[in-house]
Amino acid sequence: KAGVTQTPRYLIKTRGQQVTLSCSPISGHRSVSWYQQTPGQGLQFLFEYFSETQRNKGNFPGRFSGRQFSNSRSEMNVSTLELGDSALYLCASSLRLAGGPGTDTQYFGPGTRLTVL
Amino acid sequence: AQKITQTQPGMFVQEKEAVTLDCTYDTSDQSYGLFWYKQPSSGEMIFLIYQGSYDEQNATEGRYSLNFQKARKSANLVISASQLGDSAMYFCAMEDYKLSFGAGTTVTVRA
Repeated sequence: KAGVTQTPRYLIKTRGQQVTLSCSPISGHRSVSWYQQTPGQGLQFLFEYFSETQRNKGNFPGRFSGRQFSNSRSEMNVSTLELGDSALYLCASSLRLAGGPGTDTQYFGPGTRLTVL
Repeated sequence: AQKITQTQPGMFVQEKEAVTLDCTYDTSDQSYGLFWYKQPSSGEMIFLIYQGSYDEQNATEGRYSLNFQKARKSANLVISASQLGDSAMYFCAMEDYKLSFGAGTTVTVRA
């Protein structure tokens, strides 16, 4: 079974621009979560989408948004880029069965490394 | 709120030896899951092992085992028979619909 794929793998943008990152989950997985990883803040949760609906959201400004399509593929958009948005953006997918919290294993993609100049 | 603490920023281990990575957590939830992930320099986060809060047995997956001490709120990862390919960053995480990660421990395996 193919793993989680993310495109593009690398991006270079300038301040003020916007960017869209894409994530294709493992086949059959309906939940897609996004994380930001920086040397200073570590790994931080951005948001989760399940069945095209945002279910959970982390503590990020409104410049960060996402969506999920009917085939479970997800996109993340960052508008008005700032230097501090330079990071590795990781997407993870999971089955999100009704087993309650702490029972769902998330599988990650290779990440998109975004550099903002 | 959930909090994960990994106090070892970096560790060196000799090839073929075992290494233990520490992880303590704090949560008020009764039901929770603990995960360990490996992140090589390429950046991808690789799932290693899972321990549920109600699991009575410590989890094992090949050379990885989890030393789960619920009363102490610790979930240490043991890597046995270290290999050069084990050199990476290791993250302990707790899941409550989202993953909360520790700061990570860098493991360097020496030949």
